[in-house]
Amino acid sequence: DVKVTQSSRYLVKRTGEKVFLECVQDMDHENMFWYRQDPGLGLRLIYFSYDVKMKEKGDIPEGYSVSREKKERFSLILESASTNQTSMYLCASSLESPDTQYFGPGTRLLVL
Amino acid sequence: GDSVTQMEGPVTLSEEAFLTINCTYTATGYPSLFWYVQYPGEGLQLLLKATKADDKGSNKGFEATYRKETTSFHLEKGSVQVSDSAVYFCALKAAGNKLTFGGGTRVLVKP
Repeated sequence: DVKVTQSSRYLVKRTGEKVFLECVQDMDHENMFWYRQDPGLGLRLIYFSYDVKMKEKGDIPEGYSVSREKKERFSLILESASTNQTSMYLCASSLESPDTQYFGPGTRLLVL
Repeated sequence: GDSVTQMEGPVTLSEEAFLTINCTYTATGYPSLFWYVQYPGEGLQLLLKATKADDKGSNKGFEATYRKETTSFHLEKGSVQVSDSAVYFCALKAAGNKLTFGGGTRVLVKP
């Protein structure tokens, strides 16, 4: 079974802090994705990566950056956390020409 | 751009009732269509998919048919169980590897 793990289930940070969210997949998938999930808005794509050191902006990249130094790991960085970044963050991975994305359990981030 | 519209919830049903969740889409070309399900406290998982017009995806008693003429992919289940309580997301994949999701529909099945 594909396994996508995220470093934390719950996280509380203060405004202005730098926040790192880590995601690891164990199936050698080329593509990895970061979404945020907000009630009524569904999932919105922040960034994705189709190869090591490659990244592309999704629909809402502002205030975020990403890092992919190894194939199995994709990190989401909030450079200076703000209260409007309080959300559920979901990581996903997929094969090169996917029909299916595999999701991690999510990190619920609260920014105070 | 691409978009997915699904009915707002919550949808509250009794066990063994019939469930329908409407989903319509806007996309260029011929997208693949998906239903994902998110059980409480978990990430999303693929429920079913269809890759071309008139295809029917099915899994765990759920079905959805890709209707190109009405740009729809409605999810149905004939007899729901309490364990079907979850949030259901309709999604499409057009060009590239990006999924576009609808807003999600929360379903609550009462015994």
